[in-house]
Amino acid sequence: DADVTQTPRNRITKTGKRIMLECSQTKGHDRMYWYRQDPGLGLRLIYYSFDVKDINKGEISDGYSVSRQAQAKFSLSLESAIPNQTALYFCATRDRESYNEQFFGPGTRLTVL
Amino acid sequence: GDSVTQMEGPVTLSEEAFLTINCTYTATGYPSLFWYVQYPGEGLQLLLKATKADDKGSNKGFEATYRKETTSFHLEKGSVQVSDSAVYFCALSAYSGGSNYKLTFGKGTLLTVNP
Repeated sequence: DADVTQTPRNRITKTGKRIMLECSQTKGHDRMYWYRQDPGLGLRLIYYSFDVKDINKGEISDGYSVSRQAQAKFSLSLESAIPNQTALYFCATRDRESYNEQFFGPGTRLTVL
Repeated sequence: GDSVTQMEGPVTLSEEAFLTINCTYTATGYPSLFWYVQYPGEGLQLLLKATKADDKGSNKGFEATYRKETTSFHLEKGSVQVSDSAVYFCALSAYSGGSNYKLTFGKGTLLTVNP
């Protein structure tokens, strides 16, 4: 079974709709991250969380919000989706003892029409 | 701020060809360096890493050496296979305050290997 899972894997929605992307992990890591990937831009950090009570904005947090419901779950919400939020979204985790490696989920492809 | 610059793709090679993907970085302090690989339809996987100057990371026939004097971490493989077709990301991890280490990615290089 995958250590970091994301649901849904694909989603098509309309402008103005509220969308939630979910991430779950079984690695026991306390750090969790949300990134978006756009062609030619690499990955950019949206939000990150060190534990349930510690949420931080990344470099492109506008238009997004997050919720850390438990150590293992970290959700990303688009309150009112817009077409330029069409992208591939990745969740990642990291162990606090490792300043190195992040472990990525398989991604959610979101299309906003 | 920290940044990673990697060669633009796409890169197209024939099977068994030699691969180099250039990566240079800008960072304060002493970052760790990584290559991640993204196969079609999948998330990113760590390919290799190096945590200090002159370290060589290696995995699956790929290698990269942390060169502090040239701030580079070029990815090489002596003989590529069709199954190596993927997007490759160079990245660095640097201390960003508190207990946070920020991961900064390059824009990615698409590699296509033809039979």
